[in-house]
Amino acid sequence: EIVMTQSPATLSVSPGERATLSCRASQSVSSYLVWYQQKPGQAPRLLIYGASTRATGIPARFSGSGSGTEFTLTISSLQSEDVAVYYCQQHNIWPLTFGGGTKVEIK
Amino acid sequence: EVQLVESGGGLVQPGGSLRLSCAASGFTFSSYAMSWVRQAPGKGLEWVSSITGSGGTTYYADSVKGRFTISRDNSENTVYLLMNSVRAEDTALYYCARVRGASSAWHFTDWGQGTLVTVSS
Repeated sequence: EIVMTQSPATLSVSPGERATLSCRASQSVSSYLVWYQQKPGQAPRLLIYGASTRATGIPARFSGSGSGTEFTLTISSLQSEDVAVYYCQQHNIWPLTFGGGTKVEIK
Repeated sequence: EVQLVESGGGLVQPGGSLRLSCAASGFTFSSYAMSWVRQAPGKGLEWVSSITGSGGTTYYADSVKGRFTISRDNSENTVYLLMNSVRAEDTALYYCARVRGASSAWHFTDWGQGTLVTVSS
């Protein structure tokens, strides 16, 4: 199975600053990579699909990049409502696999 | 508006069985694959099982293969997860999720609020 590794585990960022989250796949997943946001006590929400396409209603401060094995989620200007755990998921090869998550906090 | 409402969770003894249900509304149910994803307390997300829009093809994580069965009733807009021979490690919040397409693009555009399964004696 493809192992998805996210780093860092926790990221502390000041309001208005940039947050950069990484996701690495153990083998190529092409662009079949998505990002989810999970706020405390809530279900996950789709942010990015196809590695770089924002889902409906997602603010422009969220952007995704990468292909193959290296991917990045960037929050250009962190807002308080962005405090959450962010997960990547590959859907190139079965079984579907998620990364372990990156927790984003306000510094 | 897409709505996914899970039910059927609860306390079950090791080795026992449970059937989860997910009632869907707000979209043409048979046009979309569906999945179950679980989250153990304080842990990350784990994909469990998926089924195509027609119900003709199913997929399972190795951790549940042979024990869990996913099915759907397109006339009732409902997807099910039958859990047999449950183990302590199956304890989790089980989410129902809609897949982007009928049989491809296997990521999740919409999620329910989850139903909690606790396996304990």
